[in-house]
Amino acid sequence: DSGVTQTPKHLITATGQRVTLRCSPRSGDLSVYWYQQSLDQGLQFLIHYYNGEERAKGNILERFSAQQFPDLHSELNLSSLELGDSALYFCASSVEGTGYEQYFGPGTRLTVT
Amino acid sequence: GQNIDQPTEMTATEGAIVQINCTYQTSGFNGLFWYQQHAGEAPTFLSYNVLDGLEEKGRFSSFLSRSKGYSYLLLKELQMKDSASYLCAVRDRGTGGFKTIFGAGTRLFVKA
Repeated sequence: DSGVTQTPKHLITATGQRVTLRCSPRSGDLSVYWYQQSLDQGLQFLIHYYNGEERAKGNILERFSAQQFPDLHSELNLSSLELGDSALYFCASSVEGTGYEQYFGPGTRLTVT
Repeated sequence: GQNIDQPTEMTATEGAIVQINCTYQTSGFNGLFWYQQHAGEAPTFLSYNVLDGLEEKGRFSSFLSRSKGYSYLLLKELQMKDSASYLCAVRDRGTGGFKTIFGAGTRLFVKA
């Protein structure tokens, strides 16, 4: 158990819908990172927040957005869902803001039908 | 741009040694990580190299050559539980902050 929690574990929804994935970092960690992992693309970096502020953006679609709240938990919002958005979404946390030694949560498996 | 290459699959025998190679190209290299990921589970941190040379941690060692854009992960005394994917990841520092770029992973099968 890494200490990072993610909810829900599984999510099944239809195309065009909107979902919110939630992540709580390890106690004391200020950084939250979001990743998408699909079978054909490996682990793709989406976005990084540090202490409530956006620090870095990867290949995140405009239909996706995220935020980190004052209590340091983070949410990833996915809208206008497409079949290709079906994937495992991981969040990770670390103490500092440079990406060193990230602890990954168990992931949310999103299935878009 | 950024590019990370590692073999798709490898097979090795229990008790043996295996070396998983990784080559990378990135404009703002700032460290290389290895993560282990069992099927359906989250990646777990194994090692970090930022300077050239070998870092040893128990049965696992990781090597880095920045001039060659090359790293390897060495697993000794292989156990069945080492069957997993091994992800090479590069930390890239750009104008937009630090990004961790992952390779597609190498699936290691350990056979008896």
